[in-house]
Amino acid sequence: GAVVSQHPSRVICKSGTSVKIECRSLDFQATTMFWYRQFPKKSLMLMATSNEGSKATYEQGVEKDKFLINHASLTLSTLTVTSAHPEDSSFYICSARLAGGPGTQYFGPGTRLLVL
Amino acid sequence: DQQVKQNSPSLSVQEGRISILNCDYTNSMFDYFLWYKKYPAEGPTFLISISSIKDKNEDGRFTVFLNKSAKHLSLHIVPSQPGDSAVYFCAATGGATNKLIFGTGTLLAVQP
Repeated sequence: GAVVSQHPSRVICKSGTSVKIECRSLDFQATTMFWYRQFPKKSLMLMATSNEGSKATYEQGVEKDKFLINHASLTLSTLTVTSAHPEDSSFYICSARLAGGPGTQYFGPGTRLLVL
Repeated sequence: DQQVKQNSPSLSVQEGRISILNCDYTNSMFDYFLWYKKYPAEGPTFLISISSIKDKNEDGRFTVFLNKSAKHLSLHIVPSQPGDSAVYFCAATGGATNKLIFGTGTLLAVQP
């Protein structure tokens, strides 16, 4: 149980285009999902907290107009990187928290984004 | 301000022996602690957690110990296996936040 999927697993795009990443909780409902970014040899950096049916809460320094988050249902959150630039190239990971759970987050497999 | 710290960036252990990974935290509001294992280019995998009302939680080869007075937790893996080689992150949550605060990770290498 507690499986989280991400799609796509890898994407290469041209600078200036937008990329959408999907995060799904497959076998449980998640009122809260999280989006992280990982830089090489660094810990996970929380970008935003996504709550079903409401606006996402962004961490300090994360541009909300650049990283659009939509949490349309209890099992799906999307992250759209708008007008991507090479510096947005990174490994993006989502997680989902069990509704009513103690705090355990289950992570997706991650999406590798390369912006040329 | 690093609220969760893993002071050992790496650890090497012989197969069959015990691996002990350490984690310290500073925020006394944290009341739930977790350990995750991560391979390169993959998302973290949840291993084991512990609530602040306990001082030990065991699941198979994995045991987490919590010392609240010292604000310290540790993960014991015994016996260690080569497949355990990965980066291990400790994380904490609690108080007013539902966020996980991660440590910087410890790279465990289990030598055959």
